[in-house]
Amino acid sequence: KQEVTQIPAALSVPEGENLVLNCSFTDSAIYNLQWFRQDPGKGLTSLLLIQSSQREQTSGRLNASLDKSSGRSTLYIAASQPGDSATYLCAVIGGKLIFGQGTTLQVKP
Amino acid sequence: EAGVAQSPRYKIIEKRQSVAFWCNPISGHATLYWYQQILGQGPKLLIQFQNNGVVDDSQLPKDRFSAERLKGVDSTLKIQPAKLEDSAVYLCASTLGGPDTQYFGPGTRLTVL
Repeated sequence: KQEVTQIPAALSVPEGENLVLNCSFTDSAIYNLQWFRQDPGKGLTSLLLIQSSQREQTSGRLNASLDKSSGRSTLYIAASQPGDSATYLCAVIGGKLIFGQGTTLQVKP
Repeated sequence: EAGVAQSPRYKIIEKRQSVAFWCNPISGHATLYWYQQILGQGPKLLIQFQNNGVVDDSQLPKDRFSAERLKGVDSTLKIQPAKLEDSAVYLCASTLGGPDTQYFGPGTRLTVL
């Protein structure tokens, strides 16, 4: 049974810091891995999707990496801004989408 | 391009009452998903449709939850009767098909008193 874990559960950083969010999964037989952002009271917004054959994807200040063999993915956020404050969820796609519990990020001005 | 639409956005009911949620996916998206997100947790898949057929409903509490997707477009999710533990945000998502990017609606926040 696939299990997805995100550490830490919450993170508070000053504006301008570079930061890394971690996601680990127990079954490496996945199609893709997707990172989402969720603002309070809102739905999920897709940030990056990494296909199983890829090792990373980049979009602006965001870079996501995938290491299937070790069951890990990281989301790197460069030069964090207060507007980045949200909950970040990773999800593995192996037939169905299975989510981690999320990391709630607060970026302080 | 219009996104995934859901209604209502908020619903408050008493336990043992019934409630229904509606979802309209992105035009042309064959696959539709309903998720339940309890506060502080990641979304959990309840049911997946491919066109108007059910692909996966293994985590749907079928004694009280039902869902349908008539004509392979809109979908409704119903809870009857509701329990306190059903308080959550119900999210609808759609994809063109297969393991593609999922697009989510804003969700319906259900509070059961």
